[in-house]
Amino acid sequence: QKEVEQDPGPLSVPEGAIVSLNCTYSNSAFQYFMWYRQYSRKGPELLMYTYSSGNKEDGRFTAQVDKSSKYISLFIRDSQPSDSATYLCAMIAAGNKLTFGGGTRVLVKP
Amino acid sequence: EPEVTQTPSHQVTQMGQEVILRCVPISNHLYFYWYRQILGQKVEFLVSFYNNEISEKSEIFDDQFSVERPDGSNFTLKIRSTKLEDSAMYFCASKFTLDSNYGYTFGSGTRLTVV
Repeated sequence: QKEVEQDPGPLSVPEGAIVSLNCTYSNSAFQYFMWYRQYSRKGPELLMYTYSSGNKEDGRFTAQVDKSSKYISLFIRDSQPSDSATYLCAMIAAGNKLTFGGGTRVLVKP
Repeated sequence: EPEVTQTPSHQVTQMGQEVILRCVPISNHLYFYWYRQILGQKVEFLVSFYNNEISEKSEIFDDQFSVERPDGSNFTLKIRSTKLEDSAMYFCASKFTLDSNYGYTFGSGTRLTVV
């Protein structure tokens, strides 16, 4: 079983729709959970960071963590064509090494 | 906004040659990292570096790889004898503190093509 699993997509939505992304993980030692956005040929850019189970909101983005189910989600409200990118979940156990999911490609159509 | 700068953006090298990938982390950051992403695959951790020494490395980071902070601003990744399978995007990242409340800042990457 892979440590972090993420549906590769692509996920295609119309502009204004809610984008729903998720990752599952197997390592219960993961404590910190992040979502990164990656545009083509660019480095990952941090969108959201969460530590505890529950919801965290930042503008149009909401991150959810359910440690009991080993499941994390990212929701993007009022999606825009500029949100078209690959979204990566990433996690940290002890230390400071990020373990990434494979990324979900999102396409927001005008 | 401060950023991590990587050079070159694209490097083509022949198999067996040595390459050095360069990074300028954010100036007040203390923790430095290299990650790589083979085309179509996950971003993978290679190595972390703090206080002028490696703090953690993955099984990918074998004797062919080395890192150095030759001066106060640069952070380099050297691959001594490149193989075809080293072809990938290499990302440098830096962080101010070990506290994970502060996120990593990634550079735009160097695309390494080994022919």
